Amino acid sequence: NAGVTQTPKFQVLKTGQSMTLQCAQDMNHEYMSWYRQDPGMGLRLIHYSVGAGITDQGEVPNGYNVSRSTTEDFPLRLLSAAPSQTSVYFCASSYPGRLNTEAFFGQGTRLTVV
Amino acid sequence: KQEVTQIPAALSVPEGENLVLNCSFTDSAIYNLQWFRQDPGKGLTSLLLIQSSQREQTSGRLNASLDKSSGRSTLYIAASQPGDSATYLCAVRGSGYSSASKIIFGSGTRLSIRP
Repeated sequence: NAGVTQTPKFQVLKTGQSMTLQCAQDMNHEYMSWYRQDPGMGLRLIHYSVGAGITDQGEVPNGYNVSRSTTEDFPLRLLSAAPSQTSVYFCASSYPGRLNTEAFFGQGTRLTVV
Repeated sequence: KQEVTQIPAALSVPEGENLVLNCSFTDSAIYNLQWFRQDPGKGLTSLLLIQSSQREQTSGRLNASLDKSSGRSTLYIAASQPGDSATYLCAVRGSGYSSASKIIFGSGTRLSIRP
């Protein structure tokens, strides 16, 4: 049981490049989400999904796209990377909130945009 | 819109002291509140989960309380040790229709325990 797996762990991009951060979970969780964490700050919600085919915006969605074609995977796409997107990205998954279970997090992807 | 605030932002205490970290939230319509620990450059480790119907949860030297009506939670750490040094984050899960399933974080308290 791997839990929440994020790849890659580290990435350096040039301004304007695109890339996809991968997130996969093997716990059959309906809810998945992406956060970014900047130095000295907590985690800010980018996008989230309550099930396959359903996504919604969080607090800081601009510059990011997501899709949820399967329960297991929730990729985050940067269409045209900007230095302001330099951050550590965390993916999380859980059962629906009404089941009152804890959220599980991946180990993070450290992204630098130069 | 749910907002989560953690005070203080940083705290330094000598080893052995008992201490309290605070978390407040603006919307009391929550399913649960979760406390996490984060070591520098690392991911999040879940410490305690308190459901909205509960008043407190305990795990070892940690005790977390929840007062949903006033929008407050505290994390109590007994007999602090240098190994407790880390950033502590609280996160609330909304239960209202417009916030269903969203987990919102505070900015964290950076704790340093001096030997």
